[in-house]
Amino acid sequence: EVQLVESGGGLVQPGGSLRLYCAASGFTLSNYGMNWVRQAPGKGLEWISYISSSSSTIYYADSVKGRFTISRDNAKNSLYLQMNSLRAEDTAVYYCARDFCSYIGCYDYWGQGTLVTVSS
Amino acid sequence: SSELTQDPAVSVALGQTVRITCQGDSLRFYSANWYQQKPGQAPVFVIYDKNNRPSGIPDRFSGSSSGNTASLTITGAQAEDEADYYCNSRDSSGNQVVFGGGTKLSVL
Repeated sequence: EVQLVESGGGLVQPGGSLRLYCAASGFTLSNYGMNWVRQAPGKGLEWISYISSSSSTIYYADSVKGRFTISRDNAKNSLYLQMNSLRAEDTAVYYCARDFCSYIGCYDYWGQGTLVTVSS
Repeated sequence: SSELTQDPAVSVALGQTVRITCQGDSLRFYSANWYQQKPGQAPVFVIYDKNNRPSGIPDRFSGSSSGNTASLTITGAQAEDEADYYCNSRDSSGNQVVFGGGTKLSVL
């Protein structure tokens, strides 16, 4: 059974940093591109980053470019999101999602999410 | 980046047909995908590449596209279809992903 489990969320002050983790199981992570998508409380979905299966291609949304870094360790079946210079508007549930199609934006499995709250 | 526009809310009578639309310039070039999200749950993949259903999705869900508009149609809506629906696609650069603002579907 495919499972994605996020962790690492919590309360952080503005300007602070946080590292999110996504543990993958039930499939071979190295065969799939992976993504982070977030959802602010009561708001819609926002894609924030993509990383290809071999980490050779990485994309970011403009809203996080230069502040967030996506990475992965296929040997550890793990996806990461390093978040720096956090702002109140980064408060959201962060989901990791697995690519399904040959192009970006098509996600067949999602984790349950981890909540990040940026507040003083 | 490009934008995708969805109606904020749509309602349908139980058993009737409803169409949820998604508009954006990037849809002229890139396929739309659709996700269903119920309160407190992660999104679920319901349509990909305009009109393909993932395994396990009921055949009452279908997708289509014309010009700058993609549509999700539910034929014979059920009570369990009440949820938020989001479209997404690539933006005009092809290197970013954009989601629509979501449509809250009420089944009456």
